[in-house]
Amino acid sequence: EPEVTQTPSHQVTQMGQEVILRCVPISNHLYFYWYRQILGQKVEFLVSFYNNEISEKSEIFDDQFSVERPDGSNFTLKIRSTKLEDSAMYFCASSVQPNIYGYTFGSGTRLTVV
Amino acid sequence: GQSLEQPSEVTAVEGAIVQINCTYQTSGFYGLSWYQQHDGGAPTFLSYNGLDGLEETGRFSSFLSRSDSYGYLLLQELQMKDSASYFCAPFKTIFGAGTRLFVKA
Repeated sequence: EPEVTQTPSHQVTQMGQEVILRCVPISNHLYFYWYRQILGQKVEFLVSFYNNEISEKSEIFDDQFSVERPDGSNFTLKIRSTKLEDSAMYFCASSVQPNIYGYTFGSGTRLTVV
Repeated sequence: GQSLEQPSEVTAVEGAIVQINCTYQTSGFYGLSWYQQHDGGAPTFLSYNGLDGLEETGRFSSFLSRSDSYGYLLLQELQMKDSASYFCAPFKTIFGAGTRLFVKA
């Protein structure tokens, strides 16, 4: 069964450093997303991406964040100047359709900012 | 505004049936999806209702009433592995806070 692959599974970074979280969506999916989940809290939408541009973003997704699809397979989330409160599980997801139907989530990257 | 409500916790015994309700207030509603998440795992898509009525997928069923802005997820023949959090989601931008289901032997 097709999977969304995320790397690394766990990243520890020092406050103020930049991190790049990587995702390989399912190959025939056209819509890509990043979500985060702070430990014990609900899943929060960050950004959606379609046709090489951001289609929607949340208030969380400020200038500290950026996304890119550098080639035909990877989808990345960059967090500049990380803060302690950025510590969370970051999930990448992809879908064939743009609404919340049938998203496939990756297994996540646990980001720990120290 | 947009809001979403789910019970925070439900406990049931193995083999039983449990219903997890979801009420929402949104604009531009398309349909309601349900996701399952085990501790430490990723959300997994369970079911989607684009129209009113009941959708059945094996032991899981989901119901939607647009006029009541209400839906539910029905889990039958509960198994221990069904212990997880269940989220309803009317939009990609909104996940419910989740209902934690505890299945007891």
